[in-house]
Amino acid sequence: KAGVTQTPRYLIKTRGQQVTLSCSPISGHRSVSWYQQTPGQGLQFLFEYFSETQRNKGNFPGRFSGRQFSNSRSEMNVSTLELGDSALYLCASSPLRRDREANYGYTFGSGTRLTVV
Amino acid sequence: QQQVKQSPQSLIVQKGGISIINCAYENTAFDYFPWYQQFPGKGPALLIAIRPDVSEKKEGRFTISFNKSAKQFSLHIMDSQPGDSATYFCAASRNFNKFYFGSGTKLNVKP
Repeated sequence: KAGVTQTPRYLIKTRGQQVTLSCSPISGHRSVSWYQQTPGQGLQFLFEYFSETQRNKGNFPGRFSGRQFSNSRSEMNVSTLELGDSALYLCASSPLRRDREANYGYTFGSGTRLTVV
Repeated sequence: QQQVKQSPQSLIVQKGGISIINCAYENTAFDYFPWYQQFPGKGPALLIAIRPDVSEKKEGRFTISFNKSAKQFSLHIMDSQPGDSATYFCAASRNFNKFYFGSGTKLNVKP
């Protein structure tokens, strides 16, 4: 069974540009959550999508946005990149929220390492 | 406000020893407490999790101890092995909503 696939693995962007990251969840998983991981702030929740609808949102500025497609694949977009946006962006999928315990919680992808220069 | 506080930041343990990582939380509404293990270049992977109605859960060499009144929980790794060297994160959530993660503990098990 394929895991969570995130593309690309690495990105280098210039300050002010925008970037789109992609996440393909495990087949059958309908919930996709995004997290930002930095050495200073650790893992911080960005947002969650379920059946193409945003179900929950973290405390990030509006420059961070996302969407989910009918096949459950998700993308997140960061506009007007800042140096502080350099981070590992992780996507996590799960079947249904209530199944997270029975199915051992989130399954994370390996992330996209974004560097803003 | 940091919802989950984790300590220590780093830990060095001899092979065969016990590794102990501690976490404290603020929100008494949290009802799910997982631990994740992360190797370099990989995303976190669920190790073990506990609900607040249980004081201890053991899976192999990994044990969670949970103290509801103190709002603390800890991960114990028995017979620590070099292959356990990784970063460990505790987390908490309410109704499997967004997870609040601790700051992480980098464990180094010396051979």
